[in-house]
Amino acid sequence: EVQLVQSGTDVKKPGESLKISCKGSGYSFTTYWIGWVRQMPGKGLEWMGIIYPGDSDTRYSPSFQGQVTISADKSISTAYLQWRSLKASDTAMYYCARLGIPGITVAAFDYWGQGSLVTVSS
Amino acid sequence: EIVLTQSPATLSLSPGERGTLSCGASQSVGSSYVAWYQQKPGLAPRLLIYDAASRATGIPDRFSGSGSGANFTLTISRLEPEDFAVYYCQHYGSSPFTFGPGTKVDVK
Repeated sequence: EVQLVQSGTDVKKPGESLKISCKGSGYSFTTYWIGWVRQMPGKGLEWMGIIYPGDSDTRYSPSFQGQVTISADKSISTAYLQWRSLKASDTAMYYCARLGIPGITVAAFDYWGQGSLVTVSS
Repeated sequence: EIVLTQSPATLSLSPGERGTLSCGASQSVGSSYVAWYQQKPGLAPRLLIYDAASRATGIPDRFSGSGSGANFTLTISRLEPEDFAVYYCQHYGSSPFTFGPGTKVDVK
């Protein structure tokens, strides 16, 4: 069974750093792109970027380029989303999701993690 | 960047009625690389339709997708109580693979 299990809730202060995780299981982690999606409170879905764990090839949305870092550790089948300096506007639910066809980006997100809630408040 | 719009923003229907949701793109989406997702409160989105018209695994056949170019439609033939939710379209033809703003289907 394909599963993406995300790290839990984080409460941080502005300026702090954070790295959240998404562990894949039940499939070949290195051969499917993994993406991150932001959902701010009461709002819609925003595509942040994707990574290919096999070689760490990464694509970012221009809206998120330079604001976050997407990475992966294929040895432990885990993808990450990282901030160096959080802002209150980073408060949101963050989902990881798998692109549904191995090796290519032209695919929908077929499996989703349960979400990681990040709250940034002084 | 391709911008997606969805209409209507809210669709008020009764169980058993037919729902038609629209998704428009600011430019043609290559090879109909459009997906539809359903999201219920407190849950992650769920893939319904991919490649504009293909149902994902386990999705009931009352959900159907159509369209090409820059105009796409999700149709729910007869609404069941569990179908009241928010629906998002997404394109994946060229990065960034943006989402539409969503259509909320609620109970009339």
